[in-house]
Amino acid sequence: DGGITQSPKYLFRKEGQNVTLSCEQNLNHDAMYWYRQDPGQGLRLIYYSQIVNDFQKGDIAEGYSVSREKKESFPLTVTSAQKNPTAFYLCASSISGGADTEAFFGQGTRLTVV
Amino acid sequence: QKEVEQNSGPLSVPEGAIASLNCTYSDRVSQSFFWYRQYSGKSPELIMSIYSNGDKEDGRFTAQLNKASQYVSLLIRDSQPSDSATYLCAVRGYSTLTFGKGTMLLVSP
Repeated sequence: DGGITQSPKYLFRKEGQNVTLSCEQNLNHDAMYWYRQDPGQGLRLIYYSQIVNDFQKGDIAEGYSVSREKKESFPLTVTSAQKNPTAFYLCASSISGGADTEAFFGQGTRLTVV
Repeated sequence: QKEVEQNSGPLSVPEGAIASLNCTYSDRVSQSFFWYRQYSGKSPELIMSIYSNGDKEDGRFTAQLNKASQYVSLLIRDSQPSDSATYLCAVRGYSTLTFGKGTMLLVSP
């Protein structure tokens, strides 16, 4: 089945730890995105990538890092510099970064700081 | 800064009624517009996309776009309890999607 797979579904992080969220897609999409959603809030863009080996900061990139070494994969690292990391993290992809392309989401990873 | 505004709701409608969800956006160069449905605890699911002024119908859903007024809406006909969810409006400029905070829809049997 084609789709976007995020893992793990739930993740717990201790204070001061870095954690990496996985996002894999087999849709042959060029563009991939990471969003963060807080309760009662919309989605806020963290990072996006329109092509392999290239990515750009979104609106709330501080405390996060990404890589795009393969077309299928766009992992997100939540570093200890992110002061309030507890949130629902959503990965999305689209066939390109063009204006008329639709974006589809994975099932999300819920990160909790303990 | 690009902004997408939605009434947070909840919008309550009885089963079988028409639900009308509205969205305004600030960036005049916005190219395309999307509606996503998000059930509690789940990820957003794309239900409609619209790119030009006017109406676009898909089953019980109709999206309406007015670029001059910077306004996009979603009509849900014959609303069902299973339509109860948060509906997110998203607007794409040249490369990224900007989301509103969503409108919660409650359809009562």
